[in-house]
Amino acid sequence: AQKVTQTQTSISVVEKTTVTMDCVYETRDSSYFLFWYKQTASGEIVFLIRQDSYKKENATVGHYSLNFQKPKSSIGLIITATQIEDSAVYFCAMREAFTGSFNKLTFGAGTRLAVCP
Amino acid sequence: NAGVIQTPRHKVTGKGQEATLWCEPISGHSAVFWYRQTIVQGLEFLTYFRNQAPIDDSGMPKERFSAQMPNQSHSTLKIQSTQPQDSAVYLCASSLGGGSYEQYFGPGTRLTVL
Repeated sequence: AQKVTQTQTSISVVEKTTVTMDCVYETRDSSYFLFWYKQTASGEIVFLIRQDSYKKENATVGHYSLNFQKPKSSIGLIITATQIEDSAVYFCAMREAFTGSFNKLTFGAGTRLAVCP
Repeated sequence: NAGVIQTPRHKVTGKGQEATLWCEPISGHSAVFWYRQTIVQGLEFLTYFRNQAPIDDSGMPKERFSAQMPNQSHSTLKIQSTQPQDSAVYLCASSLGGGSYEQYFGPGTRLTVL
């Protein structure tokens, strides 16, 4: 069964520094899609970035980038030049391409990021 | 371009009452998903529609929960005889299709069952 694990419950960083959030996943599928979402204090869940399993190049969007290590089943989120407004809960999610409920997202437990001035 | 719309934003029901939650997906999106978020269980998949047809309801509690999508512009999640353990934030998401497309979430409906 598919599973997504985020072991970091919370992280605190100083503004303008770089932070990495970890995520490992389990799947039997040969093809899958990995996503990172951000949930703000208001509860809004915002899509940030995705990585397709067949792509070797790490995805980058703005100041978000991914560290995809397929042999380790790991997809880390890197935020550079953090800003106060990056403070939120970050969720890693996976969707399998072929097995079972291949359209649903399976989420990790989330990592709370606090960016301090 | 409006995002996913969910109404109401908050709903309080008494134990045993019915609750109906509404979702309007992003125009042009053919896939609609319902999730539930609680402190204990986190974000859990409930059900999925594609082109209005129910595709996967594997996450739905078998009793008391039902979902429909009568047209491409809205979906409903109905909970009959609500129980305190149904208290959660119910989230609707839509995407351009199934497969690799990312899902976009609505603001959620916070259901409180007293």
